[in-house]
Amino acid sequence: DAGVIQSPRHEVTEMGQEVTLRCKPISGHNSLFWYRQTMMRGLELLIYFNNNVPIDDSGMPEDRFSAKMPNASFSTLKIQPSEPRDSAVYFCASSLRGINSPLHFGNGTRLTVT
Amino acid sequence: TQLLEQSPQFLSIQEGENLTVYCNSSSVFSSLQWYRQEPGEGPVLLVTVVTGGEVKKLKRLTFQFGDARKDSSLHITAAQPGDTGLYLCAVRASSGGSNYKLTFGKGTLLTVNP
Repeated sequence: DAGVIQSPRHEVTEMGQEVTLRCKPISGHNSLFWYRQTMMRGLELLIYFNNNVPIDDSGMPEDRFSAKMPNASFSTLKIQPSEPRDSAVYFCASSLRGINSPLHFGNGTRLTVT
Repeated sequence: TQLLEQSPQFLSIQEGENLTVYCNSSSVFSSLQWYRQEPGEGPVLLVTVVTGGEVKKLKRLTFQFGDARKDSSLHITAAQPGDTGLYLCAVRASSGGSNYKLTFGKGTLLTVNP
């Protein structure tokens, strides 16, 4: 079982550049979540999908952030243009649909915007 | 205002000591989950508690869900260095219909010194 796979593990970019984070969920899972983690704010839910459809994007901070899930095995989170305050660890997680289903997290992408 | 308040925020103890960390809210939940996150990795589910007053044990870890289902505690007996990590509690909140999103507390960062 490969688990949730995220790439890249680390990304360093300059302010104003476009950043794309990638996620491959666990096969068979029909819910996918993007979270951002910082010391100050903890784990914040950005957006989640059920069956590839965005359900709740109320956590997306602003229009610079966008997420897509073109199929059941792939999702992207894009930031354009990036800003230093976007620096954080971004996690993707997947689960089966169900109120008590556990989330399976990837190992995250550490983003640094200089 | 945080939906979930975790305390203490930081805890540093010696190997062999006992400890308890807390997760509190003013809201009632149908279930609550505890995750542990190690450095450089994503959170991993430890347990789900569902019934008010429920107690679950996982080796040296004891989890309790409050009678009113508003709070939970995690007790560790004879802590070991391998218990070091960020302990997060999380609850499902409705996103409308049968859709739920998982919201996390900020966590308790536990360090167990040998």
